[in-house]
Amino acid sequence: GNSVTQMEGPVTLSEEAFLTINCTYTATGYPSLFWYVQYPGEGLQLLLKATKADDKGSNKGFEATYRKETTSFHLEKGSVQVSDSAVYFCALIIGGSNYKLTFGKGTLLTVNP
Amino acid sequence: DAGVIQSPRHEVTEMGQEVTLRCKPISGHDYLFWYRQTMMRGLELLIYFNNNVPIDDSGMPEDRFSAKMPNASFSTLKIQPSEPRDSAVYFCASSLYVNIQYFGAGTRLSVL
Repeated sequence: GNSVTQMEGPVTLSEEAFLTINCTYTATGYPSLFWYVQYPGEGLQLLLKATKADDKGSNKGFEATYRKETTSFHLEKGSVQVSDSAVYFCALIIGGSNYKLTFGKGTLLTVNP
Repeated sequence: DAGVIQSPRHEVTEMGQEVTLRCKPISGHDYLFWYRQTMMRGLELLIYFNNNVPIDDSGMPEDRFSAKMPNASFSTLKIQPSEPRDSAVYFCASSLYVNIQYFGAGTRLSVL
């Protein structure tokens, strides 16, 4: 089946630190990959996506590259801000007849001033 | 657009009571998804609809759970009877292109 594994949290960083949240996947087909972010008390928002190997998704200073050879989609940001404090979810979807988003368990990021 | 709208935002009920959660998807979207989020199990897809028709309900935990989509602008998730283990945050999401889902703010359900 399909699965997504994220690094265990919580992750606590100081403002302007470098962020990496690891994500690896297993998939029965050729997936599209996503990072969603959930701010406190809110629903999930799409942060970025990549639909094929070597694609780089980017948004709000965050980046992730679709690495087929290592089945990974690690999230990075060069300089985090307090406002980036949230839970981050890695996810995949395989099209065709099955449109289920498979999520990782989420990683809580706290950025301190 | 106002986004996906869920109601109520919070629901507190007693075990055995019927609970109905509501969702209004983004206008024009043709897919609607119901998820449940708990600390123990993370995010779970319960059911999804395409053009108001249920496509996959394999995630619905028990017969106590049912979902309907009578028209393109409204869906309900019903739990009858509710149990304490149903306490969770329930999210509705909609999409036009199936790989970009837009989530509502969720309904936090507490069953006492």
